[in-house]
Amino acid sequence: QVQLVESGGGVVQPGSSLRLSCAASGFSLGTYAMHWVRQAPGEGLEWVAVIWSDGSKQYYGDSVKGRFTVSRDSSKNTLYLQMNSLRAEDTAVYYCGREWTFRIDNWGQGTLVTVSP
Amino acid sequence: QSALTQPPSASGSPGQSVTISCTGTSSDVGRYKYVSWYQLHPGKAPKLIIYEVSERPSGVPDRFSGSKSGNTAYLTVSGLQAEDEADYYCNSYASSNTYYVFGTGTKVTVL
Repeated sequence: QVQLVESGGGVVQPGSSLRLSCAASGFSLGTYAMHWVRQAPGEGLEWVAVIWSDGSKQYYGDSVKGRFTVSRDSSKNTLYLQMNSLRAEDTAVYYCGREWTFRIDNWGQGTLVTVSP
Repeated sequence: QSALTQPPSASGSPGQSVTISCTGTSSDVGRYKYVSWYQLHPGKAPKLIIYEVSERPSGVPDRFSGSKSGNTAYLTVSGLQAEDEADYYCNSYASSNTYYVFGTGTKVTVL
């Protein structure tokens, strides 16, 4: 059974850093591209980042480029999102998702990040 | 990376049909067959309901259908049921650099 569990969210101050984790079970991260998607309060879904199945490439949404880094640890079957220079507008629920042929077929329940003074 | 355009809301009575549009450009929706639709209920994880324009994952009722014409994709929910009341988002692959773009979202209300 495929399961994705995000963790690491919390309340942080503007300018600080935070690392989110997404523990995968029921499949190997090395077989799938993996995404981060976020939803700010009262707003729509926003694509954040993707890492290819072999880890060779990462792509980012314009609003996080240069500040966020997606990575994975195959030995732990865990996906990460390192978030630096956080801003108030980064406040959102962050979801990780498994991609299969350009569709996200499995999602986690999300973890809330709040950036506030 | 401009979001795909969806109507903010749509509604219908139980048993009726509702169609949601998703308008992009020739660089995303118009170029690729990789258009997906997701259903979001408050407090729950998004759920894939349509992929590759018109394909349904196993377990998704055939009341949900998708199509595309030019730069616009469509999601139709036929025979509306109370549990279909949710937010719906389209999504398209948009080239190897931009990669993904989501729609602005549509809230479907079952009257």
